[in-house]
Amino acid sequence: DAGVIQSPRHEVTEMGQEVTLRCKPISGHDYLFWYRQTMMRGLELLIYFNNNVPIDDSGMPEDRFSAKMPNASFSTLKIQPSEPRDSAVYFCASTGGTTEAFFGQGTRLTVV
Amino acid sequence: AQSVAQPEDQVNVAEGNPLTVKCTYSVSGNPYLFWYVQYPNRGLQFLLKYITGDNLVKGSYGFEAEFNKSQTSFHLKKPSALVSDSALYFCAVRDSGAGRRALTFGSGTRLQVQP
Repeated sequence: DAGVIQSPRHEVTEMGQEVTLRCKPISGHDYLFWYRQTMMRGLELLIYFNNNVPIDDSGMPEDRFSAKMPNASFSTLKIQPSEPRDSAVYFCASTGGTTEAFFGQGTRLTVV
Repeated sequence: AQSVAQPEDQVNVAEGNPLTVKCTYSVSGNPYLFWYVQYPNRGLQFLLKYITGDNLVKGSYGFEAEFNKSQTSFHLKKPSALVSDSALYFCAVRDSGAGRRALTFGSGTRLQVQP
């Protein structure tokens, strides 16, 4: 398996624009997680899904953030409108029968 | 609630010397504990985990960690450090119960191994 695949790897956008981050989990994994990494706050859980259903979205910063998982092989994290303080590295991770989570390479988002 | 503390922002060690990266945790039930490593501009790579059984667990690249329930600690160790071990290390925990599956991460410790 190619592992967790995220796209794009880098995204630069202007404040106010919509940003969509994408994730393809490892085939067969039934949990998917979105994390955000910043220098100030470290790794924060934003939301996670089980069998495509959102389980806990309490980490989503505000209504500008939304996440979907329309099927077992695809998830999106959308920010609309984006703000400079959203600049961070966003990670997607998945896990299945094993207990450890496998992470993608991340998307580095810069909002100018 | 679950939490992880990594008390050291940075650990410096000379190549060939043993290294320890500290981690303490808090969880309401029994813990599942993990160590991940992050190299620059990369994702997190799984190193090792404690689920149950032997308190000393061995993982990738010669790393090991010791689970200490009374001290609620899970320190990462390696007998002989390599320059290539220089990276950011994260400890993570989750409750072993069937409920919350998401990992809670510590703030990370930067390991610097000097030649």
